[in-house]
Amino acid sequence: AQSVTQLGSHVSVSEGALVLLRCNYSSSVPPYLFWYVQYPNQGLQLLLKYTSAATLVKGINGFEAEFKKSETSFHLTKPSAHMSDAAEYFCAVTPRGSYIPTFGRGTSLIVHP
Amino acid sequence: DAGVIQSPRHEVTEMGQEVTLRCKPISGHDYLFWYRQTMMRGLELLIYFNNNVPIDDSGMPEDRFSAKMPNASFSTLKIQPSEPRDSAVYFCASSLGTGNTEAFFGQGTRLTVV
Repeated sequence: AQSVTQLGSHVSVSEGALVLLRCNYSSSVPPYLFWYVQYPNQGLQLLLKYTSAATLVKGINGFEAEFKKSETSFHLTKPSAHMSDAAEYFCAVTPRGSYIPTFGRGTSLIVHP
Repeated sequence: DAGVIQSPRHEVTEMGQEVTLRCKPISGHDYLFWYRQTMMRGLELLIYFNNNVPIDDSGMPEDRFSAKMPNASFSTLKIQPSEPRDSAVYFCASSLGTGNTEAFFGQGTRLTVV
């Protein structure tokens, strides 16, 4: 069965610092990959997705993620953190031929002034 | 489109009472999902529908939980009787029937069973 692992339930950075949130998937065939963000008391919303076009995917709010097949990874980065980036981030995978996403446990991003 | 609409946003009920959560998916979406989010277990898929038909309900925790989708624009998740351990945020999401498209989530219903 497809699975997705997010390393670190909490990541803490200073404002202006690099953000790196890690996501690894388990599949011999690269799935469709997604990053979602959840702000307090809200639903999840899409940040970006990989669908087998360019391996470096740019999303909203300055976030981007790079698909690395050899590492089965899809890490999320942002060069400079803002206070408004504080939220819960979820990595999700949908296997090829399926329509059902599987979500990781989420990583809480904390941004210090 | 207004997005996925859930009601109510908050529900507080007493143990043993019936609770009904409602969802209106995005028009034209083929799939509808019900998720439960808790600190302990994260985001769990409870059940999903394709073209109004329940496909997989293996995530429904107990027989106290049931879900219906009488038409393409409405779904309900019912808990009867409710218990304190059912307290969680319940999300409804919908998507098109293609794997490379994202799921669109509602704002969620925060359920508290006292």
